[in-house]
Amino acid sequence: QVQLVESGGGVVQPGRSLRLSCAASGFTFSNYAMHWVRQAPGKGLEWVAGISYDGNNKYYADSVKGRFTISGDNSKNTLYLQMNSLRAEDTATYYCARDLLAFRYSSGLDPWGQGTLVTVSS
Amino acid sequence: QSVLTQPPSVSGAPGQRVTISCTGSSSNIGAGYDVHWYQQLPGTAPKLLIYDNTNRPSGVPDRFSGSKSGTSASLAITGLQAEDEADYYCQSHDSSLSGVVFGGGTKLTVL
Repeated sequence: QVQLVESGGGVVQPGRSLRLSCAASGFTFSNYAMHWVRQAPGKGLEWVAGISYDGNNKYYADSVKGRFTISGDNSKNTLYLQMNSLRAEDTATYYCARDLLAFRYSSGLDPWGQGTLVTVSS
Repeated sequence: QSVLTQPPSVSGAPGQRVTISCTGSSSNIGAGYDVHWYQQLPGTAPKLLIYDNTNRPSGVPDRFSGSKSGTSASLAITGLQAEDEADYYCQSHDSSLSGVVFGGGTKLTVL
């Protein structure tokens, strides 16, 4: 079945870096756009970054632009989020999610992973 | 402040019908971008309920329906059940921000 499993979360000091991974299975990874969405404790959903199915286009929320980088490895069926210069306000559960429809961007996000918690604190 | 505006909360009794609004602008919903809806039960990842304004993914009950008009969209839930108690989010794309945008979320309470 289609599945997304995130890893790489943890506690990190402000200003440091962290890389999240999202292992995909059950579908042809290279045919789908992928996204990272985060949710701060007790808050709503915030889209962080997205990558088109062919990897040629990458998009970022203003809040992370210049600090975060989204990438994908088709040979490993894995999505990444490199997070640099982390701030306290980046503390959140980070979800990876796939576009519902192949060869589209922002067709609705489904499925979602279980999320990985990132805590930025000294 | 979210780009898409939702009411913070709605409520209804079992069996009733409730609607959740999602108001955008000319750079997102009004520009013709599709609206999608998600349900998030406590402690779980969001689940897609409606995509492309009106379509239900496989497995979503037909009690859930979506509509879109102008710069707004709505999610309707009929025959309200206790298990519908959750947070609901709308999502679209914004041309000014060049990215995906979410509404602030609406907490549905089943009385």
